[in-house]
Amino acid sequence: GESVGLHLPTLSVQEGDNSIINCAYSNSASDYFIWYKQESGKGPQFIIDIRSNMDKRQGQRVTVLLNKTVKHLSLQIAATQPGDSAVYFCAEKKSSASKIIFGSGTRLSIRP
Amino acid sequence: SQTIHQWPATLVQPVGSPLSLECTVEGTSNPNLYWYRQAAGRGLQLLFYSVGIGQISSEVPQNLSASRPQDRQFILSSKKLLLSDSGFYLCAWSGLSTDTQYFGPGTRLTVL
Repeated sequence: GESVGLHLPTLSVQEGDNSIINCAYSNSASDYFIWYKQESGKGPQFIIDIRSNMDKRQGQRVTVLLNKTVKHLSLQIAATQPGDSAVYFCAEKKSSASKIIFGSGTRLSIRP
Repeated sequence: SQTIHQWPATLVQPVGSPLSLECTVEGTSNPNLYWYRQAAGRGLQLLFYSVGIGQISSEVPQNLSASRPQDRQFILSSKKLLLSDSGFYLCAWSGLSTDTQYFGPGTRLTVL
């Protein structure tokens, strides 16, 4: 079946630097993509989303980039802070579907 | 605003005992509802989803079942727990006109 995968299972970043978390997806029919942040012991929290008719979307300190040609999704976090430590999941969906397909997750750790 | 509740927050049960986890959503009508399980350090596995009262779709054959007795209530049950049922159980909802899923705080289940 279709799946969403992540390039790196863990990422260590110096506090204050920018973080880039990457994700590859395989279902070319997906038209909606989401990034979630999950802190230890908590449920995933919605961060930002993007539809397939866009290449880039910005939020507060976060930017999502979508490259449909190579089926690649990335999350950029500016000026990474200790509170950004978490597991980040990308997810894909077809608008007509009820289900979201989640990637396996990337753990982001922050070095002081 | 919409909120999603899950209880209990933690649960320790012996093998062979029954299970009932409850999820309720406030502030929305006719939501799609989802149950996920997450093993330690792993991704999200969709167990069940529901698009309406009494309508349950099962994604993974197992000894768990789900029910939706009311529009904003979703229950996960088991008649006899197995050791392999241990994990972090997450409920999520999405609106009819939205693609994003929003997660509850989760229930940590340990089967001994």
